[in-house]
Amino acid sequence: KNEVEQSPQNLTAQEGEFITINCSYSVGISALHWLQQHPGGGIVSLFMLSSGKKKHGRLIATINIQEKHSSLHITASHPRDSAVYICAVRGGSNYKLTFGKGTLLTVNP
Amino acid sequence: EAGVTQSPTHLIKTRGQQATLRCSPISGHTSVYWYQQALGLGLQFLLWYDEGEERNRGNFPPRFSGRQFPNYSSELNVNALELEDSALYLCASSFGTVDEQYFGPGTRLTVT
Repeated sequence: KNEVEQSPQNLTAQEGEFITINCSYSVGISALHWLQQHPGGGIVSLFMLSSGKKKHGRLIATINIQEKHSSLHITASHPRDSAVYICAVRGGSNYKLTFGKGTLLTVNP
Repeated sequence: EAGVTQSPTHLIKTRGQQATLRCSPISGHTSVYWYQQALGLGLQFLLWYDEGEERNRGNFPPRFSGRQFPNYSSELNVNALELEDSALYLCASSFGTVDEQYFGPGTRLTVT
């Protein structure tokens, strides 16, 4: 079993829909990252959080430390949001990132 | 402010050769991380350098090595290349060990 599990693996939505991507982890962490990777490979860090909730524009990330679970929400989705979204957790003692396999999001116009 | 830069963008090598990949962190960042993204395997942690020292490495053989220079830029060396080393290699940097990591555009290594 992977230390970081994401669901769903693939997600197709219509423009304007509300999107939720989930991440569960099984180890103790010091922080959780949400990353966005567009075709071609470039990675953008969307959020780093260790508790509560963060919001940036149409993106919202939440984390529940007790339940070892995080969600990434996209409101009013747009075709330009189409990308792979990756959850990564940072260990408590060694600072390395462990990644989920990613969620491929396709938003159709 | 310039982001993390990596060179070259693409690199084609044959099996058995050596590859050298380079990374320049964001100005002021002292930590550099290397990750491998092989097809179908997702991102995997390779190496972490901080203040010129190797602080941690992932489950990769010793032919994956690197170093960090006094200006905090870093080099990743892969010796005795194998076909399965073909991957996107990403570098990230952070100001401190607990800070957010910023990723470079990656170097795509193809081993034939």
